[in-house]
Amino acid sequence: QSALTQPASVSGSPGQSITISCTGTSSDVGSYNLVSWYQQHPGKAPKLMIYEVSKRPSGVSNRFSGSKSGNTASLTISGLQAEDEADYYCCSYAGSRAVFGGGTKLTVL
Amino acid sequence: EVQLVESGGGLVQPGRSLRLSCAASGFTFDDYAMHWVRQAPGKGLEWVSGISWNSGSIGYADSVKGRFTISRDNAKNSLYLQMNSLRAEDTALYYCAKKDRGGSFDYWGQGTLVTVSS
Repeated sequence: QSALTQPASVSGSPGQSITISCTGTSSDVGSYNLVSWYQQHPGKAPKLMIYEVSKRPSGVSNRFSGSKSGNTASLTISGLQAEDEADYYCCSYAGSRAVFGGGTKLTVL
Repeated sequence: EVQLVESGGGLVQPGRSLRLSCAASGFTFDDYAMHWVRQAPGKGLEWVSGISWNSGSIGYADSVKGRFTISRDNAKNSLYLQMNSLRAEDTALYYCAKKDRGGSFDYWGQGTLVTVSS
């Protein structure tokens, strides 16, 4: 199972919106609505931000949203804040296995 | 409060073995699948292995298949990863993660560091 494809980096200014893409195949992202997104700050464990493509766990800001079209999932962060600067990973789960994206470093300018 | 505490990491020579443990609390352990995810220094997340609530379904990444064995003891609320024939490329921070009822990892431990070096 190959890693999902994410851009290595994205950036945006405070208040702006950014979108991170996550491209898989018809065997993973395209087949199931079990795409999740994780935020990881340096030295910290990953934190679940989006599950089942577009659902937000309790406590996660509504500035975070997810979507999917075909084999590509996307995470959008609106109203960027300094605290959003982190690494973001997508993940697709299928058949008792998971595959992560390579990760995207978000820089808030 | 859900807590996942990993232990058992350390420095080990190539070809040797190590057993990781994850102690879980704050939820009904035997209701959920559990997984191991690793992160090599400066690199991204890599799924390693997962086990269903009753150990009836187990999966491994191709990179560890045949060398690593996942198991759980529901009576002890514990998850394990037996790692044999370790290689330098297995050097990573190993996280224990609880899977929710869908396909997401909703809680993570802080990780235990495994360093494979002579």
